[in-house]
Amino acid sequence: GAGVSQSPSNKVTEKGKDVELRCDPISGHTALYWYRQRLGQGLEFLIYFQGNSAPDKSGLPSDRFSAERTGESVSTLTIQRTQQEDSAVYLCASSLTGTGSTGNTIYFGEGSWLTVV
Amino acid sequence: SQQGEEDPQALSIQEGENATMNCSYKTSINNLQWYRQNSGRGLVHLILIRSNEREKHSGRLRVTLDTSKKSSSLLITASRAADTASYFCAPSNSGYSTLTFGKGTMLLVSP
Repeated sequence: GAGVSQSPSNKVTEKGKDVELRCDPISGHTALYWYRQRLGQGLEFLIYFQGNSAPDKSGLPSDRFSAERTGESVSTLTIQRTQQEDSAVYLCASSLTGTGSTGNTIYFGEGSWLTVV
Repeated sequence: SQQGEEDPQALSIQEGENATMNCSYKTSINNLQWYRQNSGRGLVHLILIRSNEREKHSGRLRVTLDTSKKSSSLLITASRAADTASYFCAPSNSGYSTLTFGKGTMLLVSP
């Protein structure tokens, strides 16, 4: 696609419910990232997928958070038993390959705003 | 990955003035990128500077890099109200494939 697409753009859920957030990266991008940004805060890295390699899950805050990616396409971030502190915007991004020494640009989606009430 | 720290946290200026934001980091890098974020939306890439470069320009943006001081600066000249946004730096090296972002500098440009 033309850019990184995320859905839903907004989600209000009750505490304790599960939510799924979807990300469609730019076609041909092998690297995909999820970040979380709480109101007025910086971005927290959550998880990184690169091709068929094992994902880097080092940023996931708890076992309630999980993510999957099918090949080099769509990714889903799942939050189980949501808590109020999960309220944030969840940003997905993709790049041609990992950034590292290559300096590849990361392209972000518009985010999924999650509110847990 | 390593995280850059932006300074100041907030900056308020008038249209037409220049805005300077700084970034410090801790370990050696291959490159450093600057991104911009409008109102909690996705970040947009502005400019990349490599470790063997000292200065780079793109339109009204000027980025400098001092690897000896492990710091970078972003200068926006002749600022406009539309430049109001948060600005993030992202240092990177070959040991890492991801970018980590700090809290950013929130720039407010008043008409």
